Amino acid sequence: DGGITQSPKYLFRKEGQNVTLSCEQNLNHDAMYWYRQDPGQGLRLIYYSQIVNDFQKGDIAEGYSVSREKKESFPLTVTSAQKNPTAFYLCASSNSGLSPSGANVLTFGAGSRLTVL
Amino acid sequence: QKEVEQNSGPLSVPEGAIASLNCTYSDRVSQSFFWYRQYSGKSPELIMSIYSNGDKEDGRFTAQLNKASQYVSLLIRDSQPSDSATYLCAVNYQGSNYKLTFGKGTLLTVNP
Repeated sequence: DGGITQSPKYLFRKEGQNVTLSCEQNLNHDAMYWYRQDPGQGLRLIYYSQIVNDFQKGDIAEGYSVSREKKESFPLTVTSAQKNPTAFYLCASSNSGLSPSGANVLTFGAGSRLTVL
Repeated sequence: QKEVEQNSGPLSVPEGAIASLNCTYSDRVSQSFFWYRQYSGKSPELIMSIYSNGDKEDGRFTAQLNKASQYVSLLIRDSQPSDSATYLCAVNYQGSNYKLTFGKGTLLTVNP
């Protein structure tokens, strides 16, 4: 079955540590995204990538880094510079972005919940 | 700053009633509009998308878009307890083909 796999599902981090969240898709989608969700809040865009070896900052990129070396993979590193990293992280993908007709829509992974101890 | 506003709720309706969820957005030049359903602890799943003024129906769900008034709504007919979830409104603004702006969501509870 095609889909997006995120791992780990739950992750605990000590202050000052970097952690990397994995996101793999087998949908053959060109675009991939990372969102952050805090309790009672909507989704905020961290980074997105339209094609391999290219990515752009979203609205809250500070303290995060990404790479896109393969079409299928878009890992997110939460660095020690991110002061409040406890959140629910969602990876998503779409086929060549979001067209004006809405033909291409976001598909989400199951999410990774990061807690800072 | 482009914004998407939703009533935070919670919205509580009895089983079988119509649930009405509303969303307003700040920029007239918007292209696509989406409603996602998110169960507690789970990831969002697409319920409806709408791109032109008017109504779009899919089973028990109807999306309504009014670009002049800058609002989009979701009606759920014959509400079921399984509809209890947070509903997220998302807008794709023109020139942002790779970005969706999400509202904070409305928590809906359907009481048996």
